[in-house]
Amino acid sequence: DQQVKQNSPSLSVQEGRISILNCDYTNSMFDYFLWYKKYPAEGPTFLISISSIKDKNEDGRFTVFLNKSAKHLSLHIVPSQPGDSAVYFCAADLDNYGQNFVFGPGTRLSVLP
Amino acid sequence: DAGVTQSPTHLIKTRGQQVTLRCSPKSGHDTVSWYQQALGQGPQFIFQYYEEEERQRGNFPDRFSGHQFPNYSSELNVNALLLGDSALYLCASSFRTGGLNYGYTFGSGTRLTVV
Repeated sequence: DQQVKQNSPSLSVQEGRISILNCDYTNSMFDYFLWYKKYPAEGPTFLISISSIKDKNEDGRFTVFLNKSAKHLSLHIVPSQPGDSAVYFCAADLDNYGQNFVFGPGTRLSVLP
Repeated sequence: DAGVTQSPTHLIKTRGQQVTLRCSPKSGHDTVSWYQQALGQGPQFIFQYYEEEERQRGNFPDRFSGHQFPNYSSELNVNALLLGDSALYLCASSFRTGGLNYGYTFGSGTRLTVV
């Protein structure tokens, strides 16, 4: 039973437009969420995180929104660039100590020039 | 400053064999976590090592075991390999303070194929 779900396996967006990647989780005890980006033949790299005490966190072109009541978070990339094309993983910190992350299956983002 | 390094990058093993994968953490990190990423799925937590002891374990059988050395590097051992063990194995290092882990950094992984 997946605790973190990313229901869109892939997403295509035009360069310059907004990319919105969605993530749902089932465990209301999750308090800390992260987004990772992964290029082929590389390990996942940390992108942005959010704590449950906040509903929004922004870092440059990347913004993560958290809706705790809906157990939903989303990653917005504005404007999207071709270099953003990668697989994006949503993850939850299972025990809030950074010891055990539960990852979603990922969404492959393609930004078209 | 080298990040997390894993070896080998690729490996092919026969069903029933044993395999050892290696990980050197990022400089300044003292904790190593291992993840298995099957095709089309997100990484799944195997276990975490700190102070040469296994501190947390995910839902993996005892065929999966590990070790951490005094220099913080780590090994992942898998015995009696099954076809389903074919995956990308990722190592992540971090530093622990106050019971929390910081600076989580992944290596590029070892691609294991079991035939």
